[in-house]
Order: sequence, then C-alpha cells, then structure tokens
Amino acid sequence: QSALTQPASVSGSPGQSITISCTGTSSDVGAYDYVSWYQQHPGKAPKLMIYDVSSRPSGVPDRFSGSKSGNTASLTISGLQAEDEADYYCTSYTTSSTLVFGGGTRLTVL
Amino acid sequence: EVQLVESGGGLVKPGGSLRLSCAASGFTFSSYTMIWVRQAPGKGLEWVSSISGSGAFIYYADSVKGRFIISRDNAKNSLYLQMNSLRAEDMAIYYCARDLVFGRIRGVPHSTDYWGQGTLVTVSS
Repeated sequence: QSALTQPASVSGSPGQSITISCTGTSSDVGAYDYVSWYQQHPGKAPKLMIYDVSSRPSGVPDRFSGSKSGNTASLTISGLQAEDEADYYCTSYTTSSTLVFGGGTRLTVL
Repeated sequence: EVQLVESGGGLVKPGGSLRLSCAASGFTFSSYTMIWVRQAPGKGLEWVSSISGSGAFIYYADSVKGRFIISRDNAKNSLYLQMNSLRAEDMAIYYCARDLVFGRIRGVPHSTDYWGQGTLVTVSS
C-alpha cells in the first residue's frame, strides 16, 4: 500500500487561508469517506483535527475544515494563526482493511 | 482524563526482540480498539497494527506481518507490541492510540482521538 500524496510544504500569512491536498486512489481515499487529518507539532504526538472527511472533534476550531472529491481529500485552514504552524498528515482507510498515511505537509506561517 | 503511556523502547541489535507496552487509564479500555503507529526519525507516520477491544480481531501492516505481535490485557488496561526480528527500518517512535469510535467490534479504526507520548525504538549494532 503506497502512501497518500501530500505536498511537502505549504505556507501562508496570518489571517490567510491555505489548503493541503491528499491524493490517493480508488482503493483508499476514493473508496470510503474515511479520511482523517492530524496535526503534529515538533516533538509531540499527533492530534486529530478532522475525521470522516469533514467532521471536527470537539475542541477543534471551525477554522479547520475538510473535503473530498474523487481520490483527493483536502484540509483547509482559514484565518491562519501562528500556532497552526505544524506538520499535517492525512490518513485513509483502505479496501484492504488497513490504514494508509500521507507523507506529511509542513505548514509554515510567515 | 484519558491517558496512554508507552514504555519498553530502547536500543536493540538487528535481529533482536523488544516488547512495548501501553498503559491506559481514564476510560473503559476493553471497549475500544487500539492501534500502534510508528514514526521513523524525521519521517511520516505509519500504521503498524490494530486490535479490537476483545482481542479477537487483529490486523497488521505488511511491513511487520509475521514479525510483530499485538496483544492486550484488559484486566491490566494494557496494550502490547512484541517486536521480533527487528530491522534497521523498524527504528522509530512507536505510539499507541485509541479508536475514536466506542465499541467497534471488528475492523481497523478510521480515526484515533487519544495518543500516547511515544517510545523510541533504536535498532543498531
């Protein structure tokens, strides 16, 4: 199972919006609405930000939103804040009953 | 408060074995599927294995199948990962994490809501 494809890095200024893409195949992202997004700050454990494509866990700001079209999922962060600077990983359930992660995207807040 | 605390990491030679533990507290451990995820130094996340609340349903990534064994002791609120025939590419921080969904009977969790702080496994001669 190949990793999902994410851009290595994205950047934006405070207050702006950014979108991180996550491209898979019809065997993972395109097969189910089971895409999640995790935020990871350096030296910390990942934190769930979005699950089931577009649902937010309690406590996650509504600045974070998710969507999916075909084999590509996206995470959008609006009103960018300094504390959003982190690594972001997408993950998807697969038709092989496994989980596959993306390679990760480093978000830099300029 | 939900807490997951991993332990058991350390330095091991290629071909060696190591057993990781994850102590859970603050929730009904037996009602949740648990997973192990690893992260090689400076690299991304990789799902390793999952085990249902009862322990009846177990899944492994191809990269560890036949070498790693996941298990749990619900009486002790503990999750384990027995790692055998370790390779250099197994070197990583190993995290345990809890299924977002309460009471999943079978299958791999689509999302996990609580993670431990991780334990580092170093494979080197």
